[in-house]
Amino acid sequence: QSALTQPASVSGSPGQSITISCTGTSSDVGGYDYVCWYQQPPGKAPKLMIFDVSSRPSGVSNRFSGSKSGNTASLTISGLQAEDEADYYCSSYTSINTLVFGGGTKLTVL
Amino acid sequence: EVQLVQSGVEVKKPGESLKISCQGSGYIFTNYWIGWVRQMPGKGLEWMGIIYPGDSDTRYSPSFQGQVTMSADKSIDTAYLQWSSLKASDTAIYYCVRQGVRRTAGIYYYYNMDVWGKGTTVTVSS
Repeated sequence: QSALTQPASVSGSPGQSITISCTGTSSDVGGYDYVCWYQQPPGKAPKLMIFDVSSRPSGVSNRFSGSKSGNTASLTISGLQAEDEADYYCSSYTSINTLVFGGGTKLTVL
Repeated sequence: EVQLVQSGVEVKKPGESLKISCQGSGYIFTNYWIGWVRQMPGKGLEWMGIIYPGDSDTRYSPSFQGQVTMSADKSIDTAYLQWSSLKASDTAIYYCVRQGVRRTAGIYYYYNMDVWGKGTTVTVSS
């Protein structure tokens, strides 16, 4: 199972919005609404930010939102803040009964 | 507070065996699946597989089948990941996670990982 495709890096200025894409196939992202997004600050463990494509766990800011169209899922962060600087990973359930991550995207807040 | 507490840093030689642990607290340990995620130095996340502590039902990613063994001791709310013969390529941080699983029509769907341990750093070097 190949990793999902994410851009290696994205950047934005404080207050702006950015979107990170996560492209898979009909056997993973496109086939199931089990896409999640995780935030990993430098040197720390990942944290769940979005599950089931667009649901936010309790305590996660509503500046974070998720969506999906076809085989591509997206994470949008609005009102960018310095504390959002981190690596972001998507994940999806797959048709071979496994879970696959994206390669990760480094977000830089300028 | 719901948390997963992992064992400490390990430094091993190639060929040695190793068992790392992950203890859950703040929730009913036997009601949730525990997963393991590998992160090699400077690299991304890789899903290794999951175990249900209630009955030790285990499912491995094809990439890790036969390379590691997952187990659990429900009497002490602890899950384990072990190697019988380490390789230098096993050098990584290993995270245990509380894995969300939904069962529909006999199929298990893995969705979120809502609780993460801090990770166990394993270094294998001669």
